[in-house]
Amino acid sequence: AQSVTQPDIHITVSEGASLELRCNYSYGATPYLFWYVQSPGQGLQLLLKYFSGDTLVQGIKGFEAEFKRSQSSFNLRKPSVHWSDAAEYFCAVGMDTGRRALTFGSGTRLQVQP
Amino acid sequence: DTGVSQDPRHKITKRGQNVTFRCDPISEHNRLYWYRQTLGQGPEFLTYFQNEAQLEKSRLLSDRFSAERPKGSFSTLEIQRTEQGDSAMYLCASTPEGAGGRVGQETQYFGPGTRLLVL
Repeated sequence: AQSVTQPDIHITVSEGASLELRCNYSYGATPYLFWYVQSPGQGLQLLLKYFSGDTLVQGIKGFEAEFKRSQSSFNLRKPSVHWSDAAEYFCAVGMDTGRRALTFGSGTRLQVQP
Repeated sequence: DTGVSQDPRHKITKRGQNVTFRCDPISEHNRLYWYRQTLGQGPEFLTYFQNEAQLEKSRLLSDRFSAERPKGSFSTLEIQRTEQGDSAMYLCASTPEGAGGRVGQETQYFGPGTRLLVL
């Protein structure tokens, strides 16, 4: 069965510092990978997604992610964090098996220090 | 495009009571999903509709849970005889037909959720 692991439950960075959030997946076939962000009281918003092609994908709000098949990873990065980036971030995998539901990781809560 | 809406946003109930949540998907989105999110966890899939047909149900959806989408527009999720373990955020998402190419590639648009607390 597919699974998604986000090893870091909580990360604190200073405003202006760079950010990397880790995501590892387990899935036998080609994964479709997503990063969502959830702010307090808000629904999940899609940041970016990867299906195929260029392994470095750009998303909204200055985020990017890199797919590394050899490491089964899809880490999210941002070169300079803003205070408004404080939120919870979820990595998710979709499957090309007829099952439409997404499988999510347990999330990483990002705190931004001034 | 007003986004996915859910009602109520918060619900407090006593153990044993029944509760019903409503989800209004984005207009003309024919696929609708329910997820449950407990504290410190990511969303977990509950069930999926294409139009009015319920096509998939998770093992998490016990007999006390029922979901409907009678006219292929809004959906309701009912929990009967609530238990404290049902306390969670219930999220709804929708997707337009034909979006995203292959199965699994769809971008799901999420509502703000209904937070349920069972006392």
